Amino acid sequence: DAGVTQSPTHLIKTRGQQVTLRCSPISGHKSVSWYQQVLGQGPQFIFQYYEKEERGRGNFPDRFSARQFPNYSSELNVNALLLGDSALYLCASSSGIYTTQYFGPGTRLLVL
Amino acid sequence: AQSVTQLGSHVSVSEGALVLLRCNYSSSVPPYLFWYVQYPNQGLQLLLKYTTGATLVKGINGFEAEFKKSETSFHLTKPSAHMSDAAEYFCAVEGVKTSGSRLTFGEGTQLTVNP
Repeated sequence: DAGVTQSPTHLIKTRGQQVTLRCSPISGHKSVSWYQQVLGQGPQFIFQYYEKEERGRGNFPDRFSARQFPNYSSELNVNALLLGDSALYLCASSSGIYTTQYFGPGTRLLVL
Repeated sequence: AQSVTQLGSHVSVSEGALVLLRCNYSSSVPPYLFWYVQYPNQGLQLLLKYTTGATLVKGINGFEAEFKKSETSFHLTKPSAHMSDAAEYFCAVEGVKTSGSRLTFGEGTQLTVNP
């Protein structure tokens, strides 16, 4: 079975631009969570979605938004990019809200 | 609120030696605890998890961890290190709210295995 997939794998943007990252969960999983991992640090929780509804939001500005589609895939959008948004963005899927999270390979975003 | 402290950002061992990676947590509710491993330029792979029940948890690749409530610890061990174990290891605690859950990670421990 395929694991969590994310696209693109790498992305370079300039300050002020907008970016959309995509995630496809493991088949049968209905929950997707997003994490930001800045170089040298542990991942930080951004969002959790379950059945297309937001179930949790971390301490991130409103420039960060996400949504989940009927097929349970998800997009993370970041507007008005800052240099500090450069990070590895990880998507995790789980079968339910409170079940084990399995991570994808991540999208590495570089903001210049 | 939950938090995780990983003692030692870098640990170096010889091949065949014991691996011990330390993790202490803070949680206002009975914790669910996890260890993930991250190889260079990759995502996180689940090594093992503790939810309830047996406090000694066995994971993949010969790793195990013991939940000690009195010490608020969840240290990761492996009896004999292999070169392929070189990676970054993250301890995490799951915070469960009525609406959802989230993982809170430590800062990570980089494990180096010397030949």
